[in-house]
Amino acid sequence: KAGVTQTPRYLIKTRGQQVTLSCSPISGHRSVSWYQQTPGQGLQFLFEYFSETQRNKGNFPGRFSGRQFSNSRSEMNVSTLELGDSALYLCASSRSGSGANVLTFGAGSRLTVL
Amino acid sequence: GQNIDQPTEMTATEGAIVQINCTYQTSGFNGLFWYQQHAGEAPTFLSYNVLDGLEEKGRFSSFLSRSKGYSYLLLKELQMKDSASYLCAPRGPDKLIFGTGTRLQVFP
Repeated sequence: KAGVTQTPRYLIKTRGQQVTLSCSPISGHRSVSWYQQTPGQGLQFLFEYFSETQRNKGNFPGRFSGRQFSNSRSEMNVSTLELGDSALYLCASSRSGSGANVLTFGAGSRLTVL
Repeated sequence: GQNIDQPTEMTATEGAIVQINCTYQTSGFNGLFWYQQHAGEAPTFLSYNVLDGLEEKGRFSSFLSRSKGYSYLLLKELQMKDSASYLCAPRGPDKLIFGTGTRLQVFP
């Protein structure tokens, strides 16, 4: 079966712009989580969506937002980009997002902010 | 709160055994995952422990002590392809929190 698909894989933006990243989960998975990965901080939890509702949110500013559609596909948006937003953004899906449910990660979207 | 501590880097030789330790302080602890991440790739699931003890899966084993807030990943018969980062990830009541990872380099 198809894995988690993230688009675009690479993108370059300038400060002040906004960006939208997309994530298509594994078929049947209803939970989608987003993480930001940087060399110094590791994987930082952004938010989780389940059945079109944001279930959990990490400690990121309001410039970071997301949504989930009825087909479980999810998007995240970053507005007013800053240099420090340069990172690998990883999306992960699971059946329910809780307990022993394994997160399956996509290959990520690498964002560079100039 | 959440606090995860694991070594930043480790080295080992092919065929050897290596143990990667992880200590954590996680409120509402609900199990611990280990993931492997090769450079430039997505993290992939290795193991999950929710009860104390050792879980063995081929060359890889993972141990958990809930009372000590301690886990380790044991890799046996190391191969060059095991060179990667290993991420310890305890689950809190509502999300999975990742440590910064241990970068393992395997030398011939």
